[in-house]
Amino acid sequence: DQQVKQNSPSLSVQEGRISILNCDYTNSMFDYFLWYKKYPAEGPTFLISISSIKDKNEDGRFTVFLNKSAKHLSLHIVPSQPGDSAVYFCAASAGSNSGYALNFGKGTSLLVTP
Amino acid sequence: DTAVSQTPKYLVTQMGNDKSIKCEQNLGHDTMYWYKQDSKKFLKIMFSYNNKELIINETVPNRFSPKSPDKAHLNLHINSLELGDSAVYFCASSQGKGGYTFGSGTRLTVV
Repeated sequence: DQQVKQNSPSLSVQEGRISILNCDYTNSMFDYFLWYKKYPAEGPTFLISISSIKDKNEDGRFTVFLNKSAKHLSLHIVPSQPGDSAVYFCAASAGSNSGYALNFGKGTSLLVTP
Repeated sequence: DTAVSQTPKYLVTQMGNDKSIKCEQNLGHDTMYWYKQDSKKFLKIMFSYNNKELIINETVPNRFSPKSPDKAHLNLHINSLELGDSAVYFCASSQGKGGYTFGSGTRLTVV
């Protein structure tokens, strides 16, 4: 039973343009959401997070938007750079009730072309 | 200085063998985890330990036994390895929901 879904397995964007990665979740107990970036043969690297009490969090080129009523979040990368090419995972946590375990989506492979 | 380190990075072994994967974190975090990434690249929680105590055990076969000698270490021992155990195993640590950091993974191949 997958509670976090990333319905786009891949995305291709030109350098300098905006990349938008989407994520949907089903569990209303989730109160903390994270985005991770992963290169082959490496572990996931934390990018940005957002608490359920907010609807937006920004860090440099990365912005995460949360729409709780739609159970949807998105990651915006602007401007996109070739070094951003990687697999991006959306993750969600229900906090201490679930031992802080993360529920992951299946990932979206982003390719930024020059 | 690696924050979450796990060894070995690659492990190839025969069916039926017993093997261990070690994990250490130097972040001072209270909680450590094991995640499994299967052939479909899906990352799933296996175990969560908080201050050496088991918090989560997610429908993992009894052949998998985590051991936490102290809060900086969480090792994973696997008995009687099966072909289906082939996957990438990631160790992680966090302080509550913050600072969630992953190791670089151990690719286990059972032949």
